[in-house]
Amino acid sequence: DGGITQSPKYLFRKEGQNVTLSCEQNLNHDAMYWYRQDPGQGLRLIYYSQIVNDFQKGDIAEGYSVSREKKESFPLTVTSAQKNPTAFYLCASSLGGKNTEAFFGQGTRLTVV
Amino acid sequence: SQQGEEDPQALSIQEGENATMNCSYKTSINNLQWYRQNSGRGLVHLILIRSNEREKHSGRLRVTLDTSKKSSSLLITASRAADTASYFCATAPSGGYQKVTFGIGTKLQVIP
Repeated sequence: DGGITQSPKYLFRKEGQNVTLSCEQNLNHDAMYWYRQDPGQGLRLIYYSQIVNDFQKGDIAEGYSVSREKKESFPLTVTSAQKNPTAFYLCASSLGGKNTEAFFGQGTRLTVV
Repeated sequence: SQQGEEDPQALSIQEGENATMNCSYKTSINNLQWYRQNSGRGLVHLILIRSNEREKHSGRLRVTLDTSKKSSSLLITASRAADTASYFCATAPSGGYQKVTFGIGTKLQVIP
C-alpha cells in the first residue's frame, strides 16, 4: 500500500533531551513537510524539502532540525533548544508542483515529561 | 502567522442540513485547498481550487473562491454524522507555492 508513515504514534521525552520523529513515504513524492499542531492554532510549518539534500525553514524552525538524505525519508529532530515541544507533529508529502495536494501521515504526539 | 482564517471556529448542525465554512486569507495565492481532520488523526485532502477558478464541486462538496475578496467557502450538502471533523483551508502563496500554510480550522459537529 502506498502512503506516508510516521512513527512512533506517541513519544515521551524528558526535558533537555533531543528526540527524532520518523517520517517515511513510498509515494515517490519529491516534496515533504513537517507541521506542528497545537490546540486552537491550526498547523504551523516547521520545515519543508522540495528535493533530496535540500530543505528550507518554515515559520517556526527554531529548536528543530531535519535531514533529507533519501527521497523517502524526512526525519525531524526536536532539540533541547525547543522551549515548548509538547505538540502533535504531522508530516506530509506531495508531488511538489504548483497545484498538488498533500498527503499526511497519522501524526506523532510528543509529550515532554 | 496563519495565512488562512476559518469562520466559524465551531459549527453544530443536524444531520441532513448543509454546512458552510468560510476562509479568508491575506496575500495573493496560487491555489487554495480544503482538508479534513478527524480527531487525533492526520489530514485528508478534500479539494483544490486554483486562483483562476471560481467554483469547484466534488460529490457533496462545493468550494467557491473569490480572489478579489481573498476568501473561499466550503459547502457540505446533506451532512451526515460521519462528516463530524475539523476542516482546514490551506493556501499556497503565489510567490512561494511550496510554503502551504493552514488556518486554525472549523470544528464541525453533525448531530444524528
